[in-house]
Amino acid sequence: GESVGLHLPTLSVQEGDNSIINCAYSNSASDYFIWYKQESGKGPQFIIDIRSNMDKRQGQRVTVLLNKTVKHLSLQIAATQPGDSAVYFCAEKNRDDKIIFGKGTRLHILP
Amino acid sequence: DTEVTQTPKHLVMGMTNKKSLKCEQHMGHRAMYWYKQKAKKPPELMFVYSYEKLSINESVPSRFSPECPNSSLLNLHLHALQPEDSALYLCASSHLFRRQSAGELFFGEGSRLTVL
Repeated sequence: GESVGLHLPTLSVQEGDNSIINCAYSNSASDYFIWYKQESGKGPQFIIDIRSNMDKRQGQRVTVLLNKTVKHLSLQIAATQPGDSAVYFCAEKNRDDKIIFGKGTRLHILP
Repeated sequence: DTEVTQTPKHLVMGMTNKKSLKCEQHMGHRAMYWYKQKAKKPPELMFVYSYEKLSINESVPSRFSPECPNSSLLNLHLHALQPEDSALYLCASSHLFRRQSAGELFFGEGSRLTVL
C-alpha cells in the first residue's frame, strides 16, 4: 500500500516462509525496474533488476515479477531469514538514466 | 562491506558554516551520484556525474555544490544550509552504459548531517 507521512508499510513474515513485497509504479517509459534493500544504518544495496520487456527474473532466493498491464512490480523472497529484515525499495531507471526510488516497505521477520 | 567510502559519517553544522562531504570509490565506475534521504523516506536523487562532468542536477538549491575532482572522488560542498536540510546524504557509483544490471548502484553508508 501507499505510505503517508512518517509511516512505512510493514510486512511481517514468519522465518522460513516466503515473502512478497509489492510496488506500484507510474512511469511506463522506464526501461529497468529495480529492487534495493536497506538495512539499518547502511546505504541501499542492489538486489535484482528486470528489464521492462521481461516479466520475470530470478536470482538467488529472489524473484522479481513485472506486470506492465497494471504497472505492478513484486519481489518474492524464498525461505525468509532473519538477515532479510530491512526496508525494501522499488526503483525505476528512466530513459534519462535517472534511478528514482519508490516508497519503501519494512520487512519484519518473526521468529 | 561497501566499496564506496563516505566521510564524515556524522556532521553537525550551523546555518552559517561551510563544510564538505566526501565520497571515494575505486571500482573504476565512471558515474557517481548524490542522493538525499530523510527518515523513513526513499532516497531522492540530487546530482549525477558522468565522466567527471555534471550530467544531472535535480533542481537542487545552490547552497549544495557538487564537485568531481577525478574519477574516484565526489564532493558535496555545503554552505548556508537550513535545518530542513538535515538528512542522510548518500553517495553512489555505477558503470555507465551497462545494459546488464543497468540499475545497479553501489552506495556508501552515508553521511548523516544535522543543521542547527
